[in-house]
Formats: sequence, structure tokens, C-alpha cells
Amino acid sequence: QKEVEQNSGPLSVPEGAIASLNCTYSDRGSQSFFWYRQYSGKSPELIMFIYSNGDKEDGRFTAQLNKASQYVSLLIRDSQPSDSATYLCAVNGLTNAGKSTFGDGTTLTVKP
Amino acid sequence: DGGITQSPKYLFRKEGQNVTLSCEQNLNHDAMYWYRQDPGQGLRLIYYSQIVNDFQKGDIAEGYSVSREKKESFPLTVTSAQKNPTAFYLCATARQSSYNEQFFGPGTRLTVL
Repeated sequence: QKEVEQNSGPLSVPEGAIASLNCTYSDRGSQSFFWYRQYSGKSPELIMFIYSNGDKEDGRFTAQLNKASQYVSLLIRDSQPSDSATYLCAVNGLTNAGKSTFGDGTTLTVKP
Repeated sequence: DGGITQSPKYLFRKEGQNVTLSCEQNLNHDAMYWYRQDPGQGLRLIYYSQIVNDFQKGDIAEGYSVSREKKESFPLTVTSAQKNPTAFYLCATARQSSYNEQFFGPGTRLTVL
């Protein structure tokens, strides 16, 4: 079992819809959780991080964390074609000296 | 202009050669990281450093070496012992904080001929 798992996709949604990206993790000691967006051929860009159970909203993006279920998600409202990218989930734990463990990413396509 | 720079952007290596990838930052971040990304894959940690003159192996350190002589710089050498070095190499930095969010440089694409 991988430490951080994401649906590989591809996930396709129509423009204006809500895109839902999911991530599960195996280390119960994990403390902080990150979502990165990576356009094809480019480096990852941090878009959200969350560390408390519940929801965190930033513009069209909402991160949701459920530590009991070891689950973190990213919702993108009013999806735009410019949101088409690969989304990487990353997890930090208490015991890993600041290292992040990354999932393999979910590729999102938003169709006009 | 603050940020993370990586050079070169593209690098071609003949088999048996060592090559060094540069990573420089002026964000005053303490921690620096090197990742490798293969097509369609996530990021795999090669080496990381939390302070000057100290670094630790990541998950795939074999065939790679690093140094951290200055806070601003964390070069990665890909040695001839690395059997399949063709990949996208990413350098990242982080402030030492509770959350440790990482910021990435633009990357170096290495191809072995």
C-alpha cells in the first residue's frame, strides 16, 4: 500500500462544474496536508494547505480534511479550462523531519 | 527578485558521465530538497537538507550526491552509478515551521544519450 494514494484519473468535468479530487494517507501521525497544481512540463505550485479537521476555503478552492478517516480532498468550484492540470497531494508527519510524501497525482481536464 | 533558480533547464549526458544540477534560493529558507519525477509519476525524494553542512538521504539516494556548503545553494550530482537518470529534477525549499510547505524551482530536465 502506498503511503499517499490518489485516484490517477484522468478526471474530466465540464466548465463551470465542481471538480472533486481525493487523497488518502496511511500514517496516522500525519499533521499537515498540501495540494499542489502542476501544469504539463512545469514544476508544482502550492495552492492549498490544511492542518485541522474540517474545511478551508480560498477563492474557488476548498480543502477538506478528515483525520479519523485519513482522507483529504480538494474541491474546485466553477471549474475553468485553466484548471486543467495534474493535482498532487502531499502529506507531512511529525516523525519525518519535515519531509513531504507525495501521491502520484490526479490529472484533471476541464472541457469548455 | 526572490525565488528559486535551477540550471540548466535542459541537460544532456552521455552514459558514464557525472553531471551537476544547480539549485539556488534567495528566500532565506532553511530546508532544501531534491526530487525526481518520471513521466506520469509523483515526486520521489532524493536528498534533503535542513541546515548548512548537513543533509540526509531520501528514498532514492543511490547514484546521487549533494552538498550544502551555503544556505542559498544545494547542488545535486548525478553520478555514473545512477542507472536510469533520465527524468525531471525538481529542487524545493521550505521555511522551518510547523507546516513546512514547500516551494519549487522550475526544474531541470535531464536526458541520457
